Amino acid sequence: GIQVEQSPPDLILQEGANSTLRCNFSDSVNNLQWFHQNPWGQLINLFYIPSGTKQNGRLSATTVATERYSLLYISSSQTTDSGVYFCAFYNFNKFYFGSGTKLNVKP
Amino acid sequence: KAGVTQTPRYLIKTRGQQVTLSCSPISGHRSVSWYQQTPGQGLQFLFEYFSETQRNKGNFPGRFSGRQFSNSRSEMNVSTLELGDSALYLCASSWTSGTTGELFFGEGSRLTVL
Repeated sequence: GIQVEQSPPDLILQEGANSTLRCNFSDSVNNLQWFHQNPWGQLINLFYIPSGTKQNGRLSATTVATERYSLLYISSSQTTDSGVYFCAFYNFNKFYFGSGTKLNVKP
Repeated sequence: KAGVTQTPRYLIKTRGQQVTLSCSPISGHRSVSWYQQTPGQGLQFLFEYFSETQRNKGNFPGRFSGRQFSNSRSEMNVSTLELGDSALYLCASSWTSGTTGELFFGEGSRLTVL
């Protein structure tokens, strides 16, 4: 079956630090999204990025579909960035989610 | 425009009961999909509806069912509740189904089964 691996599983940062989250997938993907799950459980869209690079403020993402990975960059982290980050993609008629990276940004 | 709305946000049921959760998608979106999130299993796909038709279904027992109405609103039902059904149930909408559909999630319905 399709495998989605996110790394690292847990990450603790001091406020102001930068980080890179990775998503590896075992098959070709038709689309890829990054989400941030806030402490109340809602999944917030960060990027819809089937390929290429996008930036939104302090966040940016890159997907290299041919090499089956995507990266999420967080610069100058803030405490509000804390939560769980998921990558997800669609293949074989359903969406697959990674197990997430739990980020804790300390003041 | 309004986002995806899920109701109820929180509910407590006892084993053996049934529950119905509702999801109103973003206006103009025709696809609604449902997910179960538990600490042990992560986010798992339940099913997807597009234009009132179930397009696909995840690996869940028949106690989990859903439907979609002509206005794209969707409901999911879980019958004969078990303790293991305690979870956050998330609904997502998309303007289209499948490969080109960007998902937008609601705030979720948190179900506790006692």
